[in-house]
Amino acid sequence: EVQLVESGGGLVKPGGSLRLSCAASGFTFSNAWMSWVRQAPGKGLEWVGRIKSKTDGGTIEYAAPVRGRFTISRDDSKNTLYLQINSLKIEDTAIYYCTTLGGSYTGYWGQGTLLTVSS
Amino acid sequence: QTVVTQEPSLTVSPGGTVTLTCGSSTGAVTSGYYPNWFQQKPGQAPRALIYSTSNTHSWTPARFSGSLLGGKAALTLSGVQPEDEADYYCLLYYGGAWVFGGGTKLTVL
Repeated sequence: EVQLVESGGGLVKPGGSLRLSCAASGFTFSNAWMSWVRQAPGKGLEWVGRIKSKTDGGTIEYAAPVRGRFTISRDDSKNTLYLQINSLKIEDTAIYYCTTLGGSYTGYWGQGTLLTVSS
Repeated sequence: QTVVTQEPSLTVSPGGTVTLTCGSSTGAVTSGYYPNWFQQKPGQAPRALIYSTSNTHSWTPARFSGSLLGGKAALTLSGVQPEDEADYYCLLYYGGAWVFGGGTKLTVL
C-alpha cells in the first residue's frame, strides 16, 4: 500500500524557517517524481514545486511565488522528501501536501501537514 | 502570469451528466499540457482522478472520464452520485511549472 506521511508543520513566527518532511512507503521512492502542493485556509490548491528522480535528471522546478525561499530536496536512502522554507511569511500559512505528480507513480497524496505563520 | 480557468460552481441532479472544463490564458489546451483532475471533499486531502488528459487511476470510478473539448480540458461525470459532491481542480503543465485552476464546486441536488 502506498503511503505518504507529511510532518514538520506547526506554528512559526514570520521571518523564521522550517523544514517539512514526507515519508514515503509502498513504492520505489527513488524512481518517483515528487511534488509539494499547498492549500491556504479556505482557498484552492497551489503547486509549490517538484523534484524528479535522479535517474530522470533530478530536475527541480518551483512556482514563481516561492522561488528563492523554498528548497525541495530528497533523500532516497531514507525514502523521504523535504521542503525547506525560509523567511516565512504570513501568506505561507497553509496545509502542505506531498504528492507523486507525473512519472511512474503519479496520483498519490499524503494527508498534509499544517503550517501556521503568525506572531 | 498564467491563469487556468474553471467554472466556479455547477449543479447537477443525481443520475445526470455534467462536464467541467479547464481553460488556459495562453490559448487552447492540448495533450501537451498533461491535464490532471482532482477531487477534494471537505476536510480531506485531494484525490487524483485523471492524468494526461484521459488516463484514469485504478481507483477512479468508471463514471469519471477526461477529454479535450473545444480547446479546453474536460472532466465528465456520467450518472452522478450524491457522493460526487465536492470541489474539483484541474492542473496543467507549462514546461517547468504546474498551475492549478481555481476549482469548481459541484453540487448534487
